[in-house]
Amino acid sequence: GEDVEQSLFLSVREGDSSVINCTYTDSSSTYLYWYKQEPGAGLQLLTYIFSNMDMKQDQRLTVLLNKKDKHLSLRIADTQTGDSAIYFCAEASGNTGKLIFGQGTTLQVKP
Amino acid sequence: DVKVTQSSRYLVKRTGEKVFLECVQDMDHENMFWYRQDPGLGLRLIYFSYDVKMKEKGDIPEGYSVSREKKERFSLILESASTNQTSMYLCASSFGRGASPLHFGNGTRLTVT
Repeated sequence: GEDVEQSLFLSVREGDSSVINCTYTDSSSTYLYWYKQEPGAGLQLLTYIFSNMDMKQDQRLTVLLNKKDKHLSLRIADTQTGDSAIYFCAEASGNTGKLIFGQGTTLQVKP
Repeated sequence: DVKVTQSSRYLVKRTGEKVFLECVQDMDHENMFWYRQDPGLGLRLIYFSYDVKMKEKGDIPEGYSVSREKKERFSLILESASTNQTSMYLCASSFGRGASPLHFGNGTRLTVT
């Protein structure tokens, strides 16, 4: 079945770049998403990429997609303490309207 | 902006109680979803609905039911709460059957004692 995998924890220093990685299994996924969850809150859509793209940039965020390896990454440039959160990768499950989520990566930003 | 509102941020219930978690969205979205979130397990889909009076089981429906009497409202029901249902519950909505992003509420943290 469909599965999305992420590492659970990443720690970086303020000002460094963060790279959060994700692998997925469904080669027919049309969209892949990154969500951010701050403490005590719901998930906020950060960005997404269509499966026929390799890269998408949005201010400090860069999404890279390697469709052959089914690997997705989110790079945050100049990471700030306000970026500390849990980041979820998700893939669209065919035309069901459902999203399949990874376990979430907790990003810790040290001053 | 899409707004998804969950009626309670925190709930404490006793084992065996019937529990209702309410969710309302204001963007006329067809699809609504209930997930639970547990550390290290990510989000797991409990139930979802594509339209009024329709419901579909997700990956972990056991011990839960849902109700969708109006398009904007999707309720999650724990018929007899148990301690292993202590969790964060997240409601979401989206438009259409294609790959639309989900819009989430702020979550309800339920503790069953």
